[in-house]
Amino acid sequence: NAGVMQNPRHLVRRRGQEARLRCSPMKGHSHVYWYRQLPEEGLKFMVYLQKENIIDESGMPKERFSAEFPKEGPSILRIQQVVRGDSAAYFCASSPPGGVPLSFFGPGTRLTVL
Amino acid sequence: GENVEQHPSTLSVQEGDSAVIKCTYSDSASNYFPWYKQELGKRPQLIIDIRSNVGEKKDQRIAVTLNKTAKHFSLHITETQPEDSAVYFCAASTRGGSEKLVFGKGTKLTVNP
Repeated sequence: NAGVMQNPRHLVRRRGQEARLRCSPMKGHSHVYWYRQLPEEGLKFMVYLQKENIIDESGMPKERFSAEFPKEGPSILRIQQVVRGDSAAYFCASSPPGGVPLSFFGPGTRLTVL
Repeated sequence: GENVEQHPSTLSVQEGDSAVIKCTYSDSASNYFPWYKQELGKRPQLIIDIRSNVGEKKDQRIAVTLNKTAKHFSLHITETQPEDSAVYFCAASTRGGSEKLVFGKGTKLTVNP
């Protein structure tokens, strides 16, 4: 059973471009969580999704950021018109229904905005 | 909203000594308190957690204590080893549930051989 997968592991974008980050949960896990980590900071909650539903997006900026978890395929975190302040490590985690939510994090995507 | 303070920000110990990291939280509704270990450039790994109906939990060399009245919880690592060197984060659940954790800023632990 592969762990939580994220790709790409490293992503470089110029200001104004779009960034698409992917998260494939562990097999049997239908809940996905996205967190952002700025350099030398703790993680900050962004969004919690279940298949085809956004449960809580209160941590996600209203502008430029969106997330989805379709019936088939990975969860996608999309950042439009990236700015330098978006540079961070983005981690996702997954859990089965009723499981401990943040037991298993993926390896993260390190986004650098030039 | 919930706020989690973590101290110290850096901690250096000799191999074999104990290390203690402390966190305080502000939301009395918090009921889940996990601890994560993060090595440089790696993902956070859950190492131990405690729920509010328990005062202490132990797993081999690591233990966590919780004082709900004072709203603080601590991580204790005994017989430290060089491979324990990492950044440790505490976290607390929010009124939104344990899916939405608030993290401390981390403690960089260095275990000197």
